[in-house]
Amino acid sequence: GESVGLHLPTLSVQEGDNSIINCAYSNSASDYFIWYKQESGKGPQFIIDIRSNMDKRQGQRVTVLLNKTVKHLSLQIAATQPGDSAVYFCAEIARSGSARQLTFGSGTQLTVLP
Amino acid sequence: GAVVSQHPSRVICKSGTSVKIECRSLDFQATTMFWYRQFPKQSLMLMATSNEGSKATYEQGVEKDKFLINHASLTLSTLTVTSAHPEDSSFYICSARVMETQYFGPGTRLLVL
Repeated sequence: GESVGLHLPTLSVQEGDNSIINCAYSNSASDYFIWYKQESGKGPQFIIDIRSNMDKRQGQRVTVLLNKTVKHLSLQIAATQPGDSAVYFCAEIARSGSARQLTFGSGTQLTVLP
Repeated sequence: GAVVSQHPSRVICKSGTSVKIECRSLDFQATTMFWYRQFPKQSLMLMATSNEGSKATYEQGVEKDKFLINHASLTLSTLTVTSAHPEDSSFYICSARVMETQYFGPGTRLLVL
């Protein structure tokens, strides 16, 4: 079946550098995407979302880029801080039957080095 | 953002007993809630969709008689793991949807001895 996947399972960055986390999706029917941050032992936390009619959206220190041509999504974190260390999941939402279903990617572990 | 709570945050039980996990939407009403299970270093896997006032919809491979879901009000859904076994030990996370965005609870760590 179609799925959302990530290019890299782990990413280490120096504190203060920018981080880029990538995600590939294959369901062409997906029209809404969300990035979640999950710290150890906690539930996923909403970071930022983007609809398929946009190619870029910015939040506080985070930017999401969407390339529908190659079905690629990325999360950019500016000036990465130790508190950014977590697993980051991309998720896509597409219509499944009469409902809209959210599907998670496999996750990327971001480690911020001092 | 919307706040979703879960109780308990962690539970240890003996094999064969049943465990109930509560999921509440604190500042909004949710006609639909979702239950996920997550094993270490893995992604979240959807177990079932909980619908207020009607039966839950279970994903393929999830035993509805083992994982009982009740969504009796617009702010509360419960998941009961019946006759729990060690292989049911996992991190259970609920979620509620506001418009199209899903917000997640803090999770419940279940350990079955």
